[in-house]
Amino acid sequence: DAGVIQSPRHEVTEMGQEVTLRCKPISGHNSLFWYRQTMMRGLELLIYFNNNVPIDDSGMPEDRFSAKMPNASFSTLKIQPSEPRDSAVYFCASRLERTGELFFGEGSRLTVL
Amino acid sequence: SQQGEEDPQALSIQEGENATMNCSYKTSINNLQWYRQNSGRGLVHLILIRSNEREKHSGRLRVTLDTSKKSSSLLITASRAADTASYFCATVRFTSGTYKYIFGTGTRLKVLA
Repeated sequence: DAGVIQSPRHEVTEMGQEVTLRCKPISGHNSLFWYRQTMMRGLELLIYFNNNVPIDDSGMPEDRFSAKMPNASFSTLKIQPSEPRDSAVYFCASRLERTGELFFGEGSRLTVL
Repeated sequence: SQQGEEDPQALSIQEGENATMNCSYKTSINNLQWYRQNSGRGLVHLILIRSNEREKHSGRLRVTLDTSKKSSSLLITASRAADTASYFCATVRFTSGTYKYIFGTGTRLKVLA
């Protein structure tokens, strides 16, 4: 298995633009998590899906952020409009139910100018 | 803050020495996991310890858990330069039908050859 796949790996955009980050979880994993990592705040949980349904979105910072999981093999995190303070590395992780361990993608590094 | 605390924030040791990092948390947990993150990469799961376990070993890793003190420690024995990375603890709690994975602030380990 190729692991959790995220795209793009790097994104540089200007303030006000829409940003879409993508994630393909490991096949057979039923839970998917989006995290944001910054030096100041560390790893923050944004949203958690189970069986494609958003279960906990309490970490989503504000209405500019939205996430979807239309099927078991694809999820998106969208920021519209983007702001410089959204600059961070965004990680997607899927969960192996049998062991409870998370498998992370390599992250999408977002820079908003 | 939704994070646990880890200490030290940074640790520099010589190759062959042991490295110990600590994690404290605030709520009851189902299990606690340790992850490693190499620079610019995603997190990789190392070891999981359940709330009813006190100690666990995996290769050169030893994890302890004290639920009365709400703390855990990760010991890496006979460290190698390749162990240079950031190490994170994650507390896992199942509540209200959801799994909450909350990551600590991390310890940056540097192993000098």
